[in-house]
Amino acid sequence: EPEVTQTPSHQVTQMGQEVILRCVPISNHLYFYWYRQILGQKVEFLVSFYNNEISEKSEIFDDQFSVERPDGSNFTLKIRSTKLEDSAMYFCASREDRVNEQFFGPGTRLTVL
Amino acid sequence: GEDVEQSLFLSVREGDSSVINCTYTDSSSTYLYWYKQEPGAGLQLLTYIFSNMDMKQDQRLTVLLNKKDKHLSLRIADTQTGDSAIYFCAGQKGYQKVTFGTGTKLQVIP
Repeated sequence: EPEVTQTPSHQVTQMGQEVILRCVPISNHLYFYWYRQILGQKVEFLVSFYNNEISEKSEIFDDQFSVERPDGSNFTLKIRSTKLEDSAMYFCASREDRVNEQFFGPGTRLTVL
Repeated sequence: GEDVEQSLFLSVREGDSSVINCTYTDSSSTYLYWYKQEPGAGLQLLTYIFSNMDMKQDQRLTVLLNKKDKHLSLRIADTQTGDSAIYFCAGQKGYQKVTFGTGTKLQVIP
């Protein structure tokens, strides 16, 4: 069964460093999302992406964040200068056109020291 | 925006039924979901219900939706230790972002 994959599973970085979290959505999906979950808290929407553009973003998704689909298979989330409070589990999701269900990846745990 | 609330913790004995409750604020949510998250793992979609339905049953899972009270529940029959996890209620309007609840940690006592 097709699934969303994410790499790495765990990323440790120093405060102020740039990180890139990678996702490979399901191949025929056209809509892509990033969510995050700070430890012990709810899963929060960050951004949605379609047709090489951001279609919606939350207040969390400030200028330090960017997303890109650099090729036909990857979808990335970049954090330019990480802060301690960026430590969280980051989930990628994707969905088909005209289908509601978003399929979630296993997540990348980001730890900022 | 949508706000989704759940009780934080539920403890049940193996073999009993579990009922996890959720309230939401946005009555225009068209899809309501239940996700399961095991420790250190991702989000597994368990089941969903359309807003025009009152109930959906899927094997051991029963979802009840009370639109008037904006209340959603998930009943797990014959709860097993493997059901121990965090359960998230979530709402979605059309094709938009999914808004998650705070999560309910289900502990199943053998």
